[in-house]
Amino acid sequence: LAKTTQPISMDSYEGQEVNITCSHNNIATNDYITWYQQFPSQGPRFIIQGYKTKVTNEVASLFIPADRKSSTLSLPRVSLSDTAVYYCLVGDPMNRDDKIIFGKGTRLHILP
Amino acid sequence: EPEVTQTPSHQVTQMGQEVILRCVPISNHLYFYWYRQILGQKVEFLVSFYNNEISEKSEIFDDQFSVERPDGSNFTLKIRSTKLEDSAMYFCASATALRGTEAFFGQGTRLTVV
Repeated sequence: LAKTTQPISMDSYEGQEVNITCSHNNIATNDYITWYQQFPSQGPRFIIQGYKTKVTNEVASLFIPADRKSSTLSLPRVSLSDTAVYYCLVGDPMNRDDKIIFGKGTRLHILP
Repeated sequence: EPEVTQTPSHQVTQMGQEVILRCVPISNHLYFYWYRQILGQKVEFLVSFYNNEISEKSEIFDDQFSVERPDGSNFTLKIRSTKLEDSAMYFCASATALRGTEAFFGQGTRLTVV
């Protein structure tokens, strides 16, 4: 499993765009990058997944450069309810032995 | 939207007692997991389950722990003799046949061992 590194915490203000970057220098060819969100006292929730370039859904965008050694989760116009822990994971979706392992994540705190 | 449901939401038990945490995964999912999260710490993998058997387990998942899928819909985690350090949130998750890294998590059971 590729190791990931992301900031421990970030603060931002309501209405701002927030970008959380994750480093994964040892990403393998078949690995995808997946982000989860966890609110206090709730289970993690899948946000977005990508392999290369850019992926966008109703919640976020995921930017992956050509070398795939990092990725950036972008949350547009955050609100107080986006305060949560965000986890970056790297793994092969087709590998039965590739379980989902969470790191410490990035604790995002949105201020009014 | 389909969801993973867990019961109970909160369980208090005395040290040494057995507890069973219950989960109903999403119906067409084939991969099942248990995770735990001690207060203030990261989400830790316990066990994965596929085709009616454990596919992988962590070092946390010792002989005190067991999992079952007794009736094709429920997925249970049993702790035989609880310890104080078993106090945590326990999350069940399930994933589709593609075994992707997109898993759906339940809301968790808060286990308090006193």
